[in-house]
Parts: sequence; structure tokens; C-alpha cells
Amino acid sequence: IAGITQAPTSQILAAGRRMTLRCTQDMRHNAMYWYRQDLGLGLRLIHYSNTAGTTGKGEVPDGYSVSRANTDDFPLTLASAVPSQTSVYFCASKPTDLDSPLHFGNGTRLTVT
Amino acid sequence: AQSVTQLGSHVSVSEGALVLLRCNYSSSVPPYLFWYVQYPNQGLQLLLKYTTGATLVKGINGFEAEFKKSETSFHLTKPSAHMSDAAEYFCAVSATGRRALTFGSGTRLQVQP
Repeated sequence: IAGITQAPTSQILAAGRRMTLRCTQDMRHNAMYWYRQDLGLGLRLIHYSNTAGTTGKGEVPDGYSVSRANTDDFPLTLASAVPSQTSVYFCASKPTDLDSPLHFGNGTRLTVT
Repeated sequence: AQSVTQLGSHVSVSEGALVLLRCNYSSSVPPYLFWYVQYPNQGLQLLLKYTTGATLVKGINGFEAEFKKSETSFHLTKPSAHMSDAAEYFCAVSATGRRALTFGSGTRLQVQP
């Protein structure tokens, strides 16, 4: 089934540890995004990539990094996790045409203790 | 710059009653507007979108929304609520479709029997 796969589905992580959230899509979409969802704040953009080989910063990029080595994969790395990074993380993708909507993965629930 | 304000973090209606979820946006260029729905422990699914053309757009599950430029609004409505409509709803904007989506803080809809 075509779509976006995120892994892991949930994780408990000790503060200071490094963690990579994985995101893979099989729709050949050029653009990919990472959002975090927090109660009362909706979804906020962390990083994005308009095409393989390029990335950009979103609204809340501090403490996170991304890479886009190919079209399908867009991993999000927390170099040294802090409790404020406890959140639900969603990966999304969309094709090039402007009016196409975002397609979302099912999210990764991360708890930093 | 682009932003979205959703009025009311929680809305409760009776089954069969009208559903009205409010969304106001800010965009310096023509906006592309979206409503997404999120069921528990799932990612976001597209309900409907407005890009250009007809200002009244119809989506899935009987929902519709009207783009009102003069009021900078894109309110979501459904004539008769169903128990299965209970979920969280997010309004989102993208300036001309060229920028990543900016989401509102969400409205949780409860449907009472």
C-alpha cells in the first residue's frame, strides 16, 4: 500500500541520548516535511525538503537535524534529546504540483525523560 | 507571512445538529486552504481544500467549507453531526501553495448522543 512509513511508532528516550526518527515514502513525492504536534499548539514545522539533496528550516528547528539523500527517505535526528522534545512527530510528503495536499504518516510518539 | 487561527479548542454538538468549526487565516498572497481531520492515534487525513475557483468546496463525509476573502475565513460546516465525526480538526494555509503548510492549533469536536 502506497504511503508513508514512520518508525518507531513510539519511544521512551533518556535525556541526552541521540535518536533518529525514520520516515520513508513510496509515492515518489518531491517534498517532505517533519512536524511536531503538541497539545494546544497544533502542528509546527521542524524541517522540510523540497527535493532530494536540499533541506530547509521550519518554525521550530533547534535541536533537530535532517538529511535527504534520496527521494524516499527523510530521517529526523535529535542529537541530544531534552524533555521539551517530548511530542508526537509526523512526517508528511506531497508531490510537486501546488494544490496537492500533504500525505501524513501515522506519527512517532516520543517521550524524553 | 502566513498564520491560522482556529476559534474554540473544543466544540460539542448533539448528534444530528449543525457542525461549525471556525478558521481565520492571514496570508500576504492568495492562500491555499485545507481542513484535515485526525482520529485518535492516527495521522492527519485531508477533508477538503480550496486553491482557486469555486469558493464553496465540498469534502468527504458531508463536510464543506466556504472561502470568504473579505472575512479571511474558511469555516468548516456539516449540516448534521454523526457520532463518527468526533475527532480533532485542523485548518491549514499555504501561501499560493508554494510554502509549507501552517496549521492552526486544532479544534476537538465532541458529538453527544
